Amino acid sequence: NAGVTQTPKFRILKIGQSMTLQCAQDMNHNYMYWYRQDPGMGLKLIYYSVGAGITDKGEVPNGYNVSRSTTEDFPLRLELAAPSQTSVYFCASSYPKGGRSPFRDNEQFFGPGTRLTVL
Amino acid sequence: QQQVKQSPQSLIVQKGGISIINCAYENTAFDYFPWYQQFPGKGPALLIAIRPDVSEKKEGRFTISFNKSAKQFSLHIMDSQPGDSATYFCAASRMDSSYKLIFGSGTRLLVRP
Repeated sequence: NAGVTQTPKFRILKIGQSMTLQCAQDMNHNYMYWYRQDPGMGLKLIYYSVGAGITDKGEVPNGYNVSRSTTEDFPLRLELAAPSQTSVYFCASSYPKGGRSPFRDNEQFFGPGTRLTVL
Repeated sequence: QQQVKQSPQSLIVQKGGISIINCAYENTAFDYFPWYQQFPGKGPALLIAIRPDVSEKKEGRFTISFNKSAKQFSLHIMDSQPGDSATYFCAASRMDSSYKLIFGSGTRLLVRP
């Protein structure tokens, strides 16, 4: 199993450009999440999905869009990039109630991240 | 009501010492409290988690202490090792809200040899 994979690893965008961050998982997890991590600020949830065709907003959805056409893929779209979107983006997946113990029922498995700079 | 406050921001401990990281939450509806560990350049990984029906959860050298009345929980790392040097995040969620995690701001731990 590759787990959760993200591409690209690094990207520099100019203000106003658009891009799609790719995320894929091969663990047959039905829940997937996108977070952004800013220095000293922890991780903030952008969007999440509880299954193919179902997505919903998290804490900081403005400026982003998502789609979930398959169980495996959960791309994050940035339209009209702004300097405020400079961050490290993490995708995660989980399978509630599928953990090795009740304490790990919603273990979220994170990808390696995408470092995005908007100049 | 969604915030999770974490302290300290950074922590330096000698090898063999005890590392303690604290978190406080506001929303009494939270019912799942995990700790994630993150090494530089990597994504976070689940370390240990607790639910509010127990006051302590131990896995190896890692222990969560939970105080429901004070709305606080903490991570204790016993016999801290240089390999424990990482950033630690507490988090909280409600199992009836798609397990969305609200993260603390993180604690950067350095364990000196």
